[in-house]
Amino acid sequence: AQRVTQPEKLLSVFKGAPVELKCNYSYSGSPELFWYVQYSRQRLQLLLRHISRESIKGFTADLNKGETSFHLKKPFAQEEDSAMYYCALRVQAGTALIFGKGTTLSVSS
Amino acid sequence: GAGVSQSPRYKVAKRGQDVALRCDPISGHVSLFWYQQALGQGPEFLTYFQNEAQLDKSGLPSDRFFAERPEGSVSTLKIQRTQQEDSAVYLCASSLVMGQMAGKLFFGSGTQLSVL
Repeated sequence: AQRVTQPEKLLSVFKGAPVELKCNYSYSGSPELFWYVQYSRQRLQLLLRHISRESIKGFTADLNKGETSFHLKKPFAQEEDSAMYYCALRVQAGTALIFGKGTTLSVSS
Repeated sequence: GAGVSQSPRYKVAKRGQDVALRCDPISGHVSLFWYQQALGQGPEFLTYFQNEAQLDKSGLPSDRFFAERPEGSVSTLKIQRTQQEDSAVYLCASSLVMGQMAGKLFFGSGTQLSVL
């Protein structure tokens, strides 16, 4: 079965430090990968998707099929990046997203 | 414009009671998804509609859970004879199926269900 693993429940960094939120998936085909974010008292929202190959709020993520990973990175963390981050997988257009358990990112000054 | 709207925001139910949770998707969004999110966990898929057709209900945990979307817009998730393990946040999301934004899920704020 398809699965998304986010090994870290909590990641604490200082402002200005680099951030890497890990995501691994299990699926033998070509999936679509996403990162969703939930800021305090806000609803879950899309941060970025691998097919767009974009940088949003300074975050990037590269799909590595060899390692089945889609880690989220930012070179210099900001306090406003503090939130819950979920990695998600979709195996086919029109099907549901499969989410990981999430990683809480805490950025302090 | 209005986003995905869910009601009620909070629901407290006694064990054994039936509950109904409502989701009003973004106008024009063909796809609608229900997820269950237990405390400290990621959202778990329950069921998916495309217009009024329920295309996948493989995530519904038992036959006490039932979802409908009779006119292809508003959807209701019904839980019969609620149990304590049903306590969770129930999230609804909608999306387009065509165009650049196809597949991007827009989530509601969720309904937090507490079963006592």
